[in-house]
Amino acid sequence: EIVMTQSPATVSVSPGERVTLSCRASQSLSSDLAWYQQKPGQPPRLLIYGASTRATGIPARFSGSGSGTEFTLTISSLQSEDFAVYYCQMYNSWPLTFGGGTKVELK
Amino acid sequence: EVQLLESGGGLVQPGGSLRLSCAASGFSFSNYFMIWVRQAPGKGLEWISTIASTTYYRDSVKGRFTISRDNSKNTVYLQMNSLSPEDTAIYYCAKYIYPSPTVTRVFDTWGQGTMVTVSS
Repeated sequence: EIVMTQSPATVSVSPGERVTLSCRASQSLSSDLAWYQQKPGQPPRLLIYGASTRATGIPARFSGSGSGTEFTLTISSLQSEDFAVYYCQMYNSWPLTFGGGTKVELK
Repeated sequence: EVQLLESGGGLVQPGGSLRLSCAASGFSFSNYFMIWVRQAPGKGLEWISTIASTTYYRDSVKGRFTISRDNSKNTVYLQMNSLSPEDTAIYYCAKYIYPSPTVTRVFDTWGQGTMVTVSS
């Protein structure tokens, strides 16, 4: 099983700031990595797949990069609606696994 | 509008069974692989099962859970047997982003989830 490790566990950010979240895989994924956003009481929302492709309707301030075992999600200018937990997910093999999540909170 | 609606959750005693349903609408259901993911209270996301051209399960539910689908009813199911307190979670169904066949195991539509509580 491929283990996904996200860091940091929590990041405190002010609106308008840039934030970068990290996700590391225990084995190479090529570019088979997705990012989801989850707000309290809601299901996850797909943001990024293929490491860098934004899903339909996702604002351009969200960008993904990386390949192999190291990936990042960047929010260029944090908006109030972006405070949430972010999960990465690998999908190049079974079982599918998610990272433990990074909570983006208000500073 | 693409929608998924889970049902069937509730309180069950350890060792008991439940069948979850996920009703789909707004897309050509039979053309999409589907999954179940769960989230224990205050915890992260955990993939449970996928129904594609075949079925896949995480080890901890293999032999206890069964995923199936009825394309005539646009519904995917999760039969859960021999439940334990560790199975307590919100259970979400979700659809693959692309129609089958696909190896892009990424999920663009999720239901609101149904809560399963296993307790005596």
